[in-house]
Order: sequence, then structure tokens, then C-alpha cells
Amino acid sequence: ETGVTQTPRHLVMGMTNKKSLKCEQHLGHNAMYWYKQSAKKPLELMFVYSLEERVENNSVPSRFSPECPNSSHLFLHLHTLQPEDSALYLCASSQDWEVDEQYFGPGTRLTVT
Amino acid sequence: AQKVTQAQTEISVVEKEDVTLDCVYETRDTTYYLFWYKQPPSGELVFLIRRNSFDEQNEISGRYSWNFQKSTSSFNFTITASQVVDSAVYFCALSEEVDSSYKLIFGSGTRLLVRP
Repeated sequence: ETGVTQTPRHLVMGMTNKKSLKCEQHLGHNAMYWYKQSAKKPLELMFVYSLEERVENNSVPSRFSPECPNSSHLFLHLHTLQPEDSALYLCASSQDWEVDEQYFGPGTRLTVT
Repeated sequence: AQKVTQAQTEISVVEKEDVTLDCVYETRDTTYYLFWYKQPPSGELVFLIRRNSFDEQNEISGRYSWNFQKSTSSFNFTITASQVVDSAVYFCALSEEVDSSYKLIFGSGTRLLVRP
């Protein structure tokens, strides 16, 4: 089983839709992350969860809503997105949340029309 | 000012050439961590190395080597005898303490193209 999986791999949604991105890690890690990668921009950390508790929220608009039901699963709920939200959304996990190396999933390529 | 600067946006080399990817960082902390990640065309970032600020020993792993120099705040990455499979975007990252917790900051990446 691959370490970190993400579904779907590609998603096209209208601005009025509601969708969710799913991430699952099979590494027994305690921390999980959502990143946004836009063209020509550095990776932007969106959310960090440690032991299912949100520990970081980097001024992300409320149209992005994370959920971490257990230490293996992480969701990103999307609603009323804007075209500028089109990007690659990467999930990652690490043993603990502060200084350990992170293991990334393949990402979800999101296009908002 | 950028915390992590990867000045080379794109590098193109011919297979078997050696190539060095530069990374310069900025921090006031004495304890921090540096990372390199590789992002192949498939999209997922692959962890390559982590160094803490107290360990300045250079590291070699196969064709990969890293040169950490605190005096110049640099953590450069060299690929020896490059191969087409090395083509990817490479990110340098810094983890430093911010408000009692560590935050990982990525550079903007260097796209490496290795031509056959």
C-alpha cells in the first residue's frame, strides 16, 4: 500500500459546487498536512493536524474546511471556490508535526470553472 | 526577504554531467532544520534529506551529495553523473521555530531538465 494516497487525482468543479478531497496515510504517522501548490508560487501550507487536532491554520479562506476524523485520514471540504483556487493540493504526513520529514501524496489537481 | 532562496529557476544539463542546485536560507534561530525534496512529473514530493543546524557534515548518498555551510547559510545539492530520471523540480526547505512551534518554509524550487 502506497504511503500517502489522495483521491480524486483530478477534479473540475464549478464555483457553486461542494466537493471534498480525501487523503489517507498508511505510515502510522501522527501529523497530517494540506498544502496548496499554484503555478510559479512556493508551496503554501494550509493546515496542520497533530493527533487529530488542528494545530496550524495559515489564514486560509473559510471556503476551505479541513476535517481529520482520525490520524490516518484527512479531508479538505470545498465550497463556493474561486477560479484562483485552481491548483495542485498536496497532502502530507509525518511522524510528529514539528521537525520530522514529511511524506507526500500525489496531489489532487483542482480546476475551478 | 525570502527565507529560502533557490536562485536557479531552471537548469538544463546533458546526461552524465554533474549539476549543483543552490539553496540559501535566512534564519535567526540557532536550532533549525533543512530539507531537500524532489517533485517528479507525477506530482508527489519525495523526501531526500534532512539536516539539523548542529550537523555540518556533508552527506553523500549514491550520486547525491549535500554541502551544508552555516557560514554562508547555504545547503547546496549536487547530483553527480546526472540521469534523465533526475529530471524534476527540487525544493529546498527550512524548518524554524515560530511562536513556540516549528514551521516548514519551502523555496520556490529549481526545475532540472536532464537531456539524453
